[in-house]
Amino acid sequence: GAVVSQHPSRVICKSGTSVKIECRSLDFQATTMFWYRQFPKQSLMLMATSNEGSKATYEQGVEKDKFLINHASLTLSTLTVTSAHPEDSSFYICSAQGGGYSNQPQHFGDGTRLSIL
Amino acid sequence: AQTVTQSQPEMSVQEAETVTLSCTYDTSESDYYLFWYKQPPSRQMILVIRQEAYKQQNATENRFSVNFQKAAKSFSLKISDSQLGDAAMYFCAYRSDTGTASKLTFGTGTRLQVTL
Repeated sequence: GAVVSQHPSRVICKSGTSVKIECRSLDFQATTMFWYRQFPKQSLMLMATSNEGSKATYEQGVEKDKFLINHASLTLSTLTVTSAHPEDSSFYICSAQGGGYSNQPQHFGDGTRLSIL
Repeated sequence: AQTVTQSQPEMSVQEAETVTLSCTYDTSESDYYLFWYKQPPSRQMILVIRQEAYKQQNATENRFSVNFQKAAKSFSLKISDSQLGDAAMYFCAYRSDTGTASKLTFGTGTRLQVTL
């Protein structure tokens, strides 16, 4: 089946640090990748949608200069949390969809737990 | 905008019994997809079952089945012969059928406990 690898699984760093999270589709080409944020005991909230080779589309209220998304290839998207602060601590999950058609399922990575001290 | 509502924050079921999780949604679209995802403590999102809105037949996957009522905008999940491994957060999700990749809108989730 389709596998999405997300790395790292856990990050603990100091306030002010920039953190990069990678999302890779291992056995399929992901034309579209999605980045979600999940607070404890809450649902997943979409942050942005990225298509290979184009700028990401951010959801309302998400700072694009804070959360930089790059989707440079059909198998890799990255989310960089710039100058992270404690309020950025959260669980971040990516998903990938291949084929470019809405009937294709989204496959999720295992998530990244980000803790900013 | 579409919304997804899960009115049961927590549910409990005994092992081997059947449980139904509720989900309602609001949309003005006629073509869309509905999903149930399971999120165990490991936090990985696992697709349980999906339903295309244009299909009248309810989707089934082994012990999991749905009751899709399009007119009522209801999409409940039934888990039969519950197992300890079914314990998890369950999220109902909606996705538009735009012809291209589109985002998922999730409900707030239902935490399912399975007891002996």
